[in-house]
Amino acid sequence: AQTVTQSQPEMSVQEAETVTLSCTYDTSESDYYLFWYKQPPSRQMILVIRQEAYKQQNATENRFSVNFQKAAKSFSLKISDSQLGDAAMYFCAYRSAFANNNDMRFGAGTRLTVKP
Amino acid sequence: NAGVTQTPKFQVLKTGQSMTLQCAQDMNHNSMYWYRQDPGMGLRLIYYSASEGTTDKGEVPNGYNVSRLNKREFSLRLESAAPSQTSVYFCASSEWRDSENTQYFGPGTRLTVL
Repeated sequence: AQTVTQSQPEMSVQEAETVTLSCTYDTSESDYYLFWYKQPPSRQMILVIRQEAYKQQNATENRFSVNFQKAAKSFSLKISDSQLGDAAMYFCAYRSAFANNNDMRFGAGTRLTVKP
Repeated sequence: NAGVTQTPKFQVLKTGQSMTLQCAQDMNHNSMYWYRQDPGMGLRLIYYSASEGTTDKGEVPNGYNVSRLNKREFSLRLESAAPSQTSVYFCASSEWRDSENTQYFGPGTRLTVL
């Protein structure tokens, strides 16, 4: 079964600085999707960014970008120009590309603190 | 659009009591999911419904039942609650026309079983 590991339980960043959150995963599949979700204190899960494994280009959404290393099975999230509103739990997630597989696997999460 | 809504937001039960968590989505999505989130762990899939009329077990289905009432609604039932079911429960939905099958989540239900 696929597993997702987030090795940093907590991270801290100064406002306006850049921070990188790590994620690694284990799979034998060649085609899959990767996601980063943000969970603020409201508990709502909010999609931050997604990456298709067969695309070599790293996904970017405004201040959020990923470094996808398929061979290393690594999928890190970089947040540039950090804002106070970025403070939240961040979850990395994996989903197989096979049509019958609805199972999304999540990491344990990284709590990000943003210091003013 | 409200997206995915869940009721109730909070619930306290005694061991052995039963209850149903309700979930509804207004995005016309075919697939719906129930997850639980425990401290120090990511979300784990309890059950999912790929389309109206179908349900399948996820990673942690024991102690739960589900009903896909119609395309909009997907309920989760605890027949005899146990303290191990204390958790935060999330409902999600997705659409297969979205190739990544991105899941959209509700705000969660915090359940405590005494």
